[in-house]
Amino acid sequence: AQSVSQHNHHVILSEAASLELGCNYSYGGTVNLFWYVQYPGQHLQLLLKYFSGDPLVKGIKGFEAEFIKSKFSFNLRKPSVQWSDTAEYFCAVNSFSNTGKLIFGQGTTLQVKP
Amino acid sequence: ETGVTQTPRHLVMGMTNKKSLKCEQHLGHNAMYWYKQSAKKPLELMFVYNFKEQTENNSVPSRFSPECPNSSHLFLHLHTLQPEDSALYLCASSQEASGGANEQYFGPGTRLTVT
Repeated sequence: AQSVSQHNHHVILSEAASLELGCNYSYGGTVNLFWYVQYPGQHLQLLLKYFSGDPLVKGIKGFEAEFIKSKFSFNLRKPSVQWSDTAEYFCAVNSFSNTGKLIFGQGTTLQVKP
Repeated sequence: ETGVTQTPRHLVMGMTNKKSLKCEQHLGHNAMYWYKQSAKKPLELMFVYNFKEQTENNSVPSRFSPECPNSSHLFLHLHTLQPEDSALYLCASSQEASGGANEQYFGPGTRLTVT
């Protein structure tokens, strides 16, 4: 069965520190990859997505993610985090063989200290 | 501001009650989804509707009954729930339910507590 694994469950950083959140998936075929963010008290929002083309994708608020097919990974990065980045981050995958089914990781809670 | 709305935002119900959750999307999408978000667990897909037809039931117990009268509205009817069903129930929509470029937009969720 397809699965998504996020290695870090809870990350605490100081402002201006660099961020990298790991995401690995288990599926050998063509996939679409997503990072969603859920700020405290708000709904899930799309941060960025990869469908095809350049494996380095840029999203909103200075986030980027790199798709490395050989490693089945789609890690999220930000060079310098801000207090407002405190949120829960979810990696998700769907495959061309699925009928719209998104498989989510368990989420990573990011706490940024001012 | 989200184009997907959910009501109610909070719901407390007893195990013998019957209630319904409502979702409405204002994005002109053709696919709608129900997810369950429990603490410390990944979001779990429950149901998928594509052009009003159910295309996915992820082994959900029959005490959860979805209804999709049109592409803009989705309901989740609840009856004889268990305390372990307490969770945040999220609705989402997308242009259509396919394995292609399928960006989903989420509502704020209904926080359900079963007593």
